[in-house]
Amino acid sequence: DVKVTQSSRYLVKRTGEKVFLECVQDMDHENMFWYRQDPGLGLRLIYFSYDVKMKEKGDIPEGYSVSREKKERFSLILESTSTNQTSMYLCASSLEGQYTEAFFGQGTRLTVV
Amino acid sequence: SQQGEEDPQALSIQEGENATMNCSYKTSINNLQWYRQNSGRGLVHLILIRSNEREKHSGRLRVTLDTSKKSSSLLITASRAADTASYFCATFDNYGQNFVFGPGTRLSVLP
Repeated sequence: DVKVTQSSRYLVKRTGEKVFLECVQDMDHENMFWYRQDPGLGLRLIYFSYDVKMKEKGDIPEGYSVSREKKERFSLILESTSTNQTSMYLCASSLEGQYTEAFFGQGTRLTVV
Repeated sequence: SQQGEEDPQALSIQEGENATMNCSYKTSINNLQWYRQNSGRGLVHLILIRSNEREKHSGRLRVTLDTSKKSSSLLITASRAADTASYFCATFDNYGQNFVFGPGTRLSVLP
């Protein structure tokens, strides 16, 4: 059974804290993605990676960074959290090419207080 | 970036009825995909339709694609309470690298 696993389902952090969101996939996928999902705004792409050590900015990269040291792992880093980063964070992976589907993790609900 | 837009935003029906959701997009595509999201969970892929296909079926799902109108529809027949979820269409961005999702349709199927 293919899997994308996110390290936490729920997180509560204080403003200014550093947060690491980890995502691991076991499908040997080249592409990995981080989205955030907010009511009324749908899914917005933060960063994506199409290879180890490669990263590309998505639509809303400000306040975030990523790391992909190994093919199976893609980490999202919030250097100094703010309340407007309270959101659902979704990791996904896919094979190369456009006729492939995205496989999603279960999501991490981050609350910044 | 191009983005799908689902319509309606929310839909409430009785069990056994059919549910139809629509998606519009802005630029040319080579495929369009539909995903489902149960409350508070990740998205799950339902079906992919290629640009040279007009209709595709999978179980109780029927997807149509009209590239001249840049629109797609997802029909769920004989709905069940377990179909209650949000449904998203997705295309690829202009560079063919990223999945771009619409805002979704929230479907409620009442028993």
